[in-house]
Amino acid sequence: AQSVTQLDSHVSVSEGTPVLLRCNYSSSYSPSLFWYVQHPNKGLQLLLKYTSAATLVKGINGFEAEFKKSETSFHLTKPSAHMSDAAEYFCVPNQGGKLIFGQGTELSVKP
Amino acid sequence: GAGVSQSPRYKVAKRGQDVALRCDPISGHVSLFWYQQALGQGPEFLTYFQNEAQLDKSGLPSDRFFAERPEGSVSTLKIQRTQQEDSAVYLCASSLGWGDYEQYFGPGTRLTVT
Repeated sequence: AQSVTQLDSHVSVSEGTPVLLRCNYSSSYSPSLFWYVQHPNKGLQLLLKYTSAATLVKGINGFEAEFKKSETSFHLTKPSAHMSDAAEYFCVPNQGGKLIFGQGTELSVKP
Repeated sequence: GAGVSQSPRYKVAKRGQDVALRCDPISGHVSLFWYQQALGQGPEFLTYFQNEAQLDKSGLPSDRFFAERPEGSVSTLKIQRTQQEDSAVYLCASSLGWGDYEQYFGPGTRLTVT
């Protein structure tokens, strides 16, 4: 079975500064991992997914994530935060077709 | 094309009432999923359909919860005799298939049981 740990429940950055949202996974085999974003009172939007084709995955809105097997990590990054990035972010393993969500990381962006 | 749609967006039910929540998946998506998201929590898997077949209902919290997808398109999640603990956002997602395919989510139905 796969599981993930999002190391921060809340991250606050200033607009224009880099974003780093940390995710570590635990899996006995190569995982299938997604990052989803949820804006307040909105549905979940897929940012990107990793399925072993490439370790650096580029997503929408300037986000990307790098799968590092040696560190069992799949951290989400963005070079420059925008106010519209303020939302809840979920690192989600795909376990046999089911998405297994944790608590997520809330990202705040200060002007 | 159009995304996943859900109706109603908001539902208030008195305790003990039955409710029905509807999901219209993306056209051509054979897989459909229901998730429940309690306030301040991440979504939790409820059930899954491949076309009209309900292949996994392991996440349904009780036998008061029932889901169907009779023609392999629109799905309905029904909750009988609602309880306060059923208050949550119910999310529907669809995908091209089972496994590593991306799941696309609808806006959800916020159910409040009073």
